Amino acid sequence: DAKTTQPPSMDCAEGRAANLPCNHSTISGNEYVYWYRQIHSQGPQYIIHGLKNNETNEMASLIITEDRKSSTLILPHATLRDTAVYYCIVRVAGYGNKLVFGAGTILRVKS
Amino acid sequence: EAGVAQSPRYKIIEKRQSVAFWCNPISGHATLYWYQQILGQGPKLLIQFQNNGVVDDSQLPKDRFSAERLKGVDSTLKIQPAKLEDSAVYLCASSLGGRAGEQYFGPGTRLTVT
Repeated sequence: DAKTTQPPSMDCAEGRAANLPCNHSTISGNEYVYWYRQIHSQGPQYIIHGLKNNETNEMASLIITEDRKSSTLILPHATLRDTAVYYCIVRVAGYGNKLVFGAGTILRVKS
Repeated sequence: EAGVAQSPRYKIIEKRQSVAFWCNPISGHATLYWYQQILGQGPKLLIQFQNNGVVDDSQLPKDRFSAERLKGVDSTLKIQPAKLEDSAVYLCASSLGGRAGEQYFGPGTRLTVT
């Protein structure tokens, strides 16, 4: 079962930052936070992951609160192509531990 | 680098018929996954392979679903006989050893059972 809570949908204006929240209040010390997205009719795409420090890559930034009970994925300058379902997943490291996808957040970027 | 390849992209069959899906992972990726995604839901893991061996098949309906990964490279997922509730997108993913949280997904096969 998914261990995260995300809003069902969000809207964002093109060119503005999209901030997607995720609640994972029962996260354990050895669980990482992963973000994936799924554009319509495509397979999910890995975005970023982190344990307790903030992370940034070419796609997004991940901000994890100090108590690790919630996180925010930031797309700094959203474009229409960022319209997708965004999944927040907590997962214990190790190849035998699976990703459990919830319903995610539908992000609509509007011009 | 080439991504995860899947075929066919679409398949329509009648209930009680059989169907097979094929997946070729990214070269060098030891771990291969099959997911089922029902419309409006997130993907659900059916089976995970590490090279030739099965790591997790706890969610695979073994009375009708089977999967194999011969030679540790490509894989097939079979459904026999299909039911109406098997209508879904079947996704294949792969990952490098030690980075199993970073999975690369193929485009999926959309199965419709009538």
